[in-house]
Amino acid sequence: GNSVTQMEGPVTLSEEAFLTINCTYTATGYPSLFWYVQYPGEGLQLLLKATKADDKGSNKGFEATYRKETTSFHLEKGSVQVSDSAVYFCALEGSQGNLIFGKGTKLSVKP
Amino acid sequence: SAVISQKPSRDICQRGTSLTIQCQVDSQVTMMFWYRQQPGQSLTLIATANQGSEATYESGFVIDKFPISRPNLTFSTLTVSNMSPEDSSIYLCSGTIGGGYEQFFGPGTRLTVL
Repeated sequence: GNSVTQMEGPVTLSEEAFLTINCTYTATGYPSLFWYVQYPGEGLQLLLKATKADDKGSNKGFEATYRKETTSFHLEKGSVQVSDSAVYFCALEGSQGNLIFGKGTKLSVKP
Repeated sequence: SAVISQKPSRDICQRGTSLTIQCQVDSQVTMMFWYRQQPGQSLTLIATANQGSEATYESGFVIDKFPISRPNLTFSTLTVSNMSPEDSSIYLCSGTIGGGYEQFFGPGTRLTVL
């Protein structure tokens, strides 16, 4: 069945460092792909999405490109801030409109 | 967008009892889902809450254990029945609006079963 494999955390970076969180998927067809973020003490919220191959989702300086050749949707940011500290979840759209999540990657950014 | 609230936000329950979690949305949502997030794990779909009909459960989840109601387009409940410590998790509801892709999530209910 469809599944998402996400880079294990935790990831600790210094402020202004470059971030990559790897995400690969297994799916039938070409489902929409998402990154969700969960800030400390808050609920899950959508960070960015891509609905078809070669689409690039972007938001708040984060980017991810839907790569069907490598079945990947890696999250990147050129310069992280302390406020980016959160848990990041890669997800794909399931057959019922639900989401199939990766295990989550905890990011800590130190000043 | 949609704002989703859940009650209770957390609870500590005894083995063998049941707890009903409420999910309220501030606008009409097309699809509603219930997820479970066990400690250190990802979110797993329990069921799709269908308005006015029985929920659609994922493999490994059954109606007797997790009965779900959805009487209208803005409200749903999930009951965790005959609880055991293995049911200790965060339970989240979510919804989509129209044909949109974005799912809006509630803040979750943190359940501890002793």
